[in-house]
Amino acid sequence: GAGVSQTPSNKVTEKGKYVELRCDPISGHTALYWYRQSLGQGPEFLIYFQGTGAADDSGLPNDRFFAVRPEGSVSTLKIQRTERGDSAMYLCASSSGRVPGANVLTFGAGSRLTVL
Amino acid sequence: KQEVTQIPAALSVPEGENLVLNCSFTDSAIYNLQWFRQDPGKGLTSLLLIQSSQREQTSGRLNASLDKSSGRSTLYIAASQPGDSATYLCAVTDSGAGSYQLTFGKGTKLSVIP
Repeated sequence: GAGVSQTPSNKVTEKGKYVELRCDPISGHTALYWYRQSLGQGPEFLIYFQGTGAADDSGLPNDRFFAVRPEGSVSTLKIQRTERGDSAMYLCASSSGRVPGANVLTFGAGSRLTVL
Repeated sequence: KQEVTQIPAALSVPEGENLVLNCSFTDSAIYNLQWFRQDPGKGLTSLLLIQSSQREQTSGRLNASLDKSSGRSTLYIAASQPGDSATYLCAVTDSGAGSYQLTFGKGTKLSVIP
């Protein structure tokens, strides 16, 4: 696609529920990132995929968070047993990733998650 | 652990003024530094990318400089316009772990008054 697409744009759920957030990166981009942005803060790194594999998941806050990218394109961020503190904007970004250090990231519009 | 600080947190200027946004980072071992723009409730738009070997980058009315050794960057906006009103975020690409993850500052919220 022309840009990074994220769905849903808004998600309201109840505490304890399961949530999936989807990211469709730019076609051909091998690198995919998830970030989380709380109100008034800068985005914080969650996980990085290079192709199908999670090359760095050091930013995932706990084992309730999990992400997959089974075919090296679309990625899904999964949150189990949601808590109010999970409320944030979840941002996805992709890049060609072929030249280390020259990675201009293209971000999607984000998925705003609200846990009641 | 890399920390990025942006000063000021908010800035209000009259239309037409030139302005400077500041960014500092604690670890100079970076691949690059990027400036992003974020409109309320929206995603991020990349404005300028400066490689660690470069000193500055320019795009239109925007000029970003990088002093890697002192851990500082500035974003200069010339002849500001109301449409420039947004939050501006600075981010560095850390070289650790090979993931090229970005570490962001909290941003500077800019308001340009007509």
